[in-house]
Amino acid sequence: QSALTQPASVSGSPGQSITISCTGTSSDVGSYNLVSWYQQHPGKAPKLMIYEVSKRPSGVSNRFSGSKSGNTASLTISGLQAEDEADYYCCSYAGSVVFGGGTKLTVL
Amino acid sequence: EVQLLESGGGLVQPGGSLRLSCAASGFTFSSYAMSWVRQAPGKGLEWVSAISGSGGSTYYADSVKGRFTISRDNSKNTLYLQMNSLRAEDTAVYYCAKPETTVTTFGAFDIWGQGTMVTVSS
Repeated sequence: QSALTQPASVSGSPGQSITISCTGTSSDVGSYNLVSWYQQHPGKAPKLMIYEVSKRPSGVSNRFSGSKSGNTASLTISGLQAEDEADYYCCSYAGSVVFGGGTKLTVL
Repeated sequence: EVQLLESGGGLVQPGGSLRLSCAASGFTFSSYAMSWVRQAPGKGLEWVSAISGSGGSTYYADSVKGRFTISRDNSKNTLYLQMNSLRAEDTAVYYCAKPETTVTTFGAFDIWGQGTMVTVSS
């Protein structure tokens, strides 16, 4: 199973909005509403931010939102804050589990 | 508090073996499938293996199939990963992870352990 495709890096200024894309195929992202997103700060374990494409776990800020169109899922972070600077990974069910390569978010 | 605590990592020579453990607390362990996810130094996340709540069904990434064995002891609330024929490319932090739902084996992972480092080197 090939990894999902994410941009290597994105950046934005405090207060702005950014979107991270996650492109898969009709065998994973396109076929299942089981896309999740994880935030990972250096040296820390990943944290679940979005599951089932657009659902937010309890305690996750509503500045984080998810969506999907065809074979591409997206994570949008609005009102960027310094603490949002981290690596972000998408994940999809595909008969098993496949992750994206990760996107480094820099808050300028 | 829901918690996962991995142990068993360390330095091992190529071709060697290691067994990782993950102690779970704060939830009904036997009701949830569990997974192992690894992260090589400076690299992204890679799903390794999963096991159903009963332990009757197991799943593996192609990269570890035939070399790694996942198991669980529900009486001890503990998940295991037996790693044999280890290679340099198996060097990574290994996380155990719990899905947010009992409905499916491959749900989103809402709880992660702190990870245990495995280094395969001579």
